[in-house]
Amino acid sequence: NAGVMQNPRHLVRRRGQEARLRCSPMKGHSHVYWYRQLPEEGLKFMVYLQKENIIDESGMPKERFSAEFPKEGPSILRIQQVVRGDSAAYFCASSRLGGYNEQFFGPGTRLTVL
Amino acid sequence: DAKTTQPTSMDCAEGRAANLPCNHSTISGNEYVYWYRQIHSQGPQYIIHGLKNNETNEMASLIITEDRKSSTLILPHATLRDTAVYYCIVFNAGNNRKLIWGLGTSLAVNP
Repeated sequence: NAGVMQNPRHLVRRRGQEARLRCSPMKGHSHVYWYRQLPEEGLKFMVYLQKENIIDESGMPKERFSAEFPKEGPSILRIQQVVRGDSAAYFCASSRLGGYNEQFFGPGTRLTVL
Repeated sequence: DAKTTQPTSMDCAEGRAANLPCNHSTISGNEYVYWYRQIHSQGPQYIIHGLKNNETNEMASLIITEDRKSSTLILPHATLRDTAVYYCIVFNAGNNRKLIWGLGTSLAVNP
């Protein structure tokens, strides 16, 4: 029973490039959440998606960041024109249902912007 | 902002019980208390959650005070692998189910 999978685990980009982070939820899970963790800080909510729908993107910067969770395939967090401040660990979580179902986290993608 | 207050760090001897406190004095009636932990920058791991009653699972026990303003996570027999940052989170499913994280308690289990 595979858990939440994220790839790549480590990603290095130069300023101005694009970063694409992928998240495959646990089998049977249709709710996906993205969180960002800056060094020495707690996690910050970014966006909550269900299949083909963005439910809450209140934590995501208005520019350069976008997320999708298509009917088929993984959820994608896309960061355009990366800057050094985007360097962080990005975690994806999934849950089977909404409500009070616990969220299961992937191992994260560590983005480094040079 | 996080609705919880936790000590920054704690120590525990291996094999002893680790008791991690959390204050959530502004918790609402429909909000749950969730506990997660993060081991050395890995993805957070769900531990346990509760509303009013005490809860126990294979990992830990959760004791919630009668007024629900505070709770304690208990790891009954701490091992070195329990060294991690422990996060207490007040969760409202109506808040679009997002987890609001504080800085947690860094627990060091010592041999």
